Amino acid sequence: DQQVKQNSPSLSVQEGRISILNCDYTNSMFDYFLWYKKYPAEGPTFLISISSIKDKNEDGRFTVFLNKSAKHLSLHIVPSQPGDSAVYFCAASDDYKLSFGAGTTVTVRA
Amino acid sequence: DAGVIQSPRHEVTEMGQEVTLRCKPISGHNSLFWYRQTMMRGLELLIYFNNNVPIDDSGMPEDRFSAKMPNASFSTLKIQPSEPRDSAVYFCATGDGDRDTQYFGPGTRLTVL
Repeated sequence: DQQVKQNSPSLSVQEGRISILNCDYTNSMFDYFLWYKKYPAEGPTFLISISSIKDKNEDGRFTVFLNKSAKHLSLHIVPSQPGDSAVYFCAASDDYKLSFGAGTTVTVRA
Repeated sequence: DAGVIQSPRHEVTEMGQEVTLRCKPISGHNSLFWYRQTMMRGLELLIYFNNNVPIDDSGMPEDRFSAKMPNASFSTLKIQPSEPRDSAVYFCATGDGDRDTQYFGPGTRLTVL
């Protein structure tokens, strides 16, 4: 049973524009959420996180929004850059255990 | 800091052979996780160690899989005997107690023929 879902397998965006990645979860016990970025032949790299007591966290070009009532979070990347082309994984935590979504492949077009 | 180190990066073996994957965690990190990534199942947790002690091995698929952490600097994941369905990318990740943020190694791509 997939507790974390990323329903868009891919996203194509023009350089300089906003990328919006979405993630839904089903387990109300999740209290910490993370986004990871992955390049081919590398391990996932931690990008940004948010606690369930917040609804927004910002770090440079990356902002994560959390809507607990909808069990939905999103990652905004503004402006998108060619180096942002990668697979992005949403993850949710219940204590130590991370449950990952299937990933969204982002392609930033020049 | 070198980050999480995994070896080998690629392993090709034949069905029935023993496979040993290795992980050196980031110094000072007290949590260590082994994950497997496949197209069908995505990233799934196999086993979690805290302070070198296995805490949760519920994700280990079957008895052919075993993991050890003899000290804070080293962990192994062993598959014996290996089967073609074990072909996947295996990641080691470690954590420093900063909430649940985990830092991943580059992975070992295992192919069992």
